[in-house]
Amino acid sequence: QSALTQPASVSGSPGQSITISCTGTRSDVGAYKYVSWYQQHPGKAPKLMIYEVTNRPSGISNRFSGSKSGNTASLTISGLQAEDEANYYCSSYTTTSIVLFGGGTKLTVL
Amino acid sequence: QLQLQESGPGLVKPSETLSLTCSVSGDSITGTPYYWGWIRQPPGKGLEWIGSIYYTGTTYYNPSLKSRVSISGDTSKNQFSLRLSSVTAADTAVYYCARHYRLGSRADSFDPWGQGTLVTVSS
Repeated sequence: QSALTQPASVSGSPGQSITISCTGTRSDVGAYKYVSWYQQHPGKAPKLMIYEVTNRPSGISNRFSGSKSGNTASLTISGLQAEDEANYYCSSYTTTSIVLFGGGTKLTVL
Repeated sequence: QLQLQESGPGLVKPSETLSLTCSVSGDSITGTPYYWGWIRQPPGKGLEWIGSIYYTGTTYYNPSLKSRVSISGDTSKNQFSLRLSSVTAADTAVYYCARHYRLGSRADSFDPWGQGTLVTVSS
């Protein structure tokens, strides 16, 4: 199975909102609510930001939100801050019981 | 607080077997409903799930690596391990271990992650 499709890069100014898309198929993103989002700063391990499409782990800012429509999931970051600049990855469970990641999106805060 | 730490050789020769261990502290790997997983990231590239193990020994592997991968657990040491055989330069990556919420709440998310360890395949 191919990786989930994410835009290579997105950018926004401080205070603005941005959305990162994650497109899969009926066999992964479209099949379940098991989509997660991770933030990765350079040289660091990924950090879980969203699980089960819309849920935030304890300690994650409510500026981060997730949604899904059909085969596409989205991560929205509102009130952009300089510290949000990082790479973001989506992942999804699939009908073949494996986990697929997206190719990653580099967020630049202008 | 749960912490994971990867360990193992940083350099492996082509055609040999890569072996890494993940030491878990702050929780038992026999805790339910958690699986324990391995994920890798080639330099400058994205994440790839390798596979995950439940303390009973049940494993799930990425089909693209399944023929070369083996994940095992040692409950007495609270560790789990990865073996990847017949490695090539394409297996050069940072290898992460992580708790895998495979079942129940937070299904199929990874949290937390170890800091990662770079394994280079080169002669």
